[in-house]
Amino acid sequence: AQSVAQPEDQVNVAEGNPLTVKCTYSVSGNPYLFWYVQYPNRGLQFLLKYITGDNLVKGSYGFEAEFNKSQTSFHLKKPSALVSDSALYFCAVRGSKNAGNNRKLIWGLGTSLAVNP
Amino acid sequence: DAGVIQSPRHEVTEMGQEVTLRCKPISGHNSLFWYRQTMMRGLELLIYFNNNVPIDDSGMPEDRFSAKMPNASFSTLKIQPSEPRDSAVYFCASSSTVNNEQFFGPGTRLTVL
Repeated sequence: AQSVAQPEDQVNVAEGNPLTVKCTYSVSGNPYLFWYVQYPNRGLQFLLKYITGDNLVKGSYGFEAEFNKSQTSFHLKKPSALVSDSALYFCAVRGSKNAGNNRKLIWGLGTSLAVNP
Repeated sequence: DAGVIQSPRHEVTEMGQEVTLRCKPISGHNSLFWYRQTMMRGLELLIYFNNNVPIDDSGMPEDRFSAKMPNASFSTLKIQPSEPRDSAVYFCASSSTVNNEQFFGPGTRLTVL
């Protein structure tokens, strides 16, 4: 069965420190991996994706994520956190071997990031 | 680009009433997704369409929920009759075959009293 796990409900970091939000997955075939951010009372915004190519993917707002096939992980990182990064972060995946034309994403439960001044 | 447009942004209704949520996907996108988000259950996919055809409706909670996509630029999600447990934020998202990522609308906050 396909699944996504975000093992931490909440991550707290101090402003200026590096941050990591973890994501692991299980899919059929090669994974298509995504990170989204949701600010309060807003819709989800796309941050970055991995489809193929370089394992280190750079996205919006200074975020990056590293695809690790052996560990089936796609952790979100940022070298220096800002208070404005405080939000809910979702990891999502779909497998390249999804049956037919199925473009459905499997979503993690979200990780709440709090960056403290 | 205007992005995904949803209406209304807020809806307050009484139990038993019919509710219709509307979505206009990004022009050129051929996949459309309806999600529901609550504190208790998180983000749930209700149904998705590809080229206006429903592909996966396994997330539709019960027969009170129905969704249509009569053309490439419009979709509706209807709840009839509505119940208090339907209170949630409903998101519409669209994507294209070129870019795999989904783009979300601002959501409709539904409150059923």
